[in-house]
Amino acid sequence: DTGVSQDPRHKITKRGQNVTFRCDPISEHNRLYWYRQTLGQGPEFLTYFQNEAQLEKSRLLSDRFSAERPKGSFSTLEIQRTEQGDSAMYLCASSPPGGAYEQYFGPGTRLTVT
Amino acid sequence: KQEVTQIPAALSVPEGENLVLNCSFTDSAIYNLQWFRQDPGKGLTSLLLIQSSQREQTSGRLNASLDKSSGRSTLYIAASQPGDSATYLCAVWSGYSTLTFGKGTMLLVSP
Repeated sequence: DTGVSQDPRHKITKRGQNVTFRCDPISEHNRLYWYRQTLGQGPEFLTYFQNEAQLEKSRLLSDRFSAERPKGSFSTLEIQRTEQGDSAMYLCASSPPGGAYEQYFGPGTRLTVT
Repeated sequence: KQEVTQIPAALSVPEGENLVLNCSFTDSAIYNLQWFRQDPGKGLTSLLLIQSSQREQTSGRLNASLDKSSGRSTLYIAASQPGDSATYLCAVWSGYSTLTFGKGTMLLVSP
């Protein structure tokens, strides 16, 4: 039984570069969420998918951010032209059908923009 | 807009003490409230979930209470241990798509 997995666990990039993160949800979970967590803060919602459809995006998700979930399985979060303010932990969570509040979190991807 | 506040921001106690973490939320129209644990640099682990119709939930040495009308929840940890050292996050579900989190309480239990 595997939980939510995220790859990579750590990413260091230079300002202006593009980065892409991957999240593999628990199998049969139809909802997938992305959150961002900065130091000393709680996770903040970025976006979520139900199956392959992206149903909601936070205003935190600027034009430089894009998320996809092709075929309703894994998801990717891409950040273009990274800025130092993008440095954060990016958390992915998934939830089963009928249990949207029952979110299971992955270990996160720590992004450092230098 | 729902806002969640956690007090204190940090807490340091000697091993064996009983302690209480506090969480308050501005909009009492919630479906449930959850307490999570987060170890440094790691993801979140759900500890307890209280439905809006419930008053409390218990798991081992942990007890969480919910007073929906006053917008408050407490997490009680009995006989604290060094292994309890972590950040504890409170989150509410208001029936929309996402959880709303507080900033957390960083707990340090010293041997």
